Amino acid sequence: DVKVTQSSRYLVKRTGEKVFLECVQDMDHENMFWYRQDPGLGLRLIYFSYDVKMKEKGDIPEGYSVSREKKERFSLILESASTNQTSMYLCASSPTRQGAREAFFGQGTRLTVV
Amino acid sequence: QKEVEQNSGPLSVPEGAIASLNCTYSDRGSQSFFWYRQYSGKSPELIMSIYSNGDKEDGRFTAQLNKASQYVSLLIRDSQPSDSATYLCAGRYGGATNKLIFGTGTLLAVQP
Repeated sequence: DVKVTQSSRYLVKRTGEKVFLECVQDMDHENMFWYRQDPGLGLRLIYFSYDVKMKEKGDIPEGYSVSREKKERFSLILESASTNQTSMYLCASSPTRQGAREAFFGQGTRLTVV
Repeated sequence: QKEVEQNSGPLSVPEGAIASLNCTYSDRGSQSFFWYRQYSGKSPELIMSIYSNGDKEDGRFTAQLNKASQYVSLLIRDSQPSDSATYLCAGRYGGATNKLIFGTGTLLAVQP
């Protein structure tokens, strides 16, 4: 089974802190994604990566950065956390090959910025 | 216009009925589509994927794709209370980007 693991289920951080959310997948997938999910807004794509050291902005990249130094790990960085970044953060991974390109999700990290 | 759109619901159906969930997309470059189910407080889990025009069936679930009209649907036959969840439609763009975009989801409530 594909396993996508996020480092924390719950996090509480203070405004202005630098926050790191880590995601690791064990299926050698090329693509990895970071989403945030808010009530009424669905899943919104923050950043995604289609290869090591490669990244592309999603729909809401402001206030976030990412790092992918190894294929299995994709990190989301909040440079200076703000209260409007309180949300559920979901990481996903998927292969690139034709056919089975569905994404698999981690368990999510609920971040609260106070 | 959002790239993937869904009616937020809630969609309420009686137990045993057919639930019909719909999704439209704006980019004709979208190559593949996915339906995910998400229970409250949990991560999305994949139910169906579809890449070609027509129907694809898996148990009680049927996904339908119409590329000319740019819509995707999910039918759930013999709906059960355990099917009550939010259903997310997602579209995948090909080429180098492999971007995966979700709709806002439709809340389904199956009444016993």
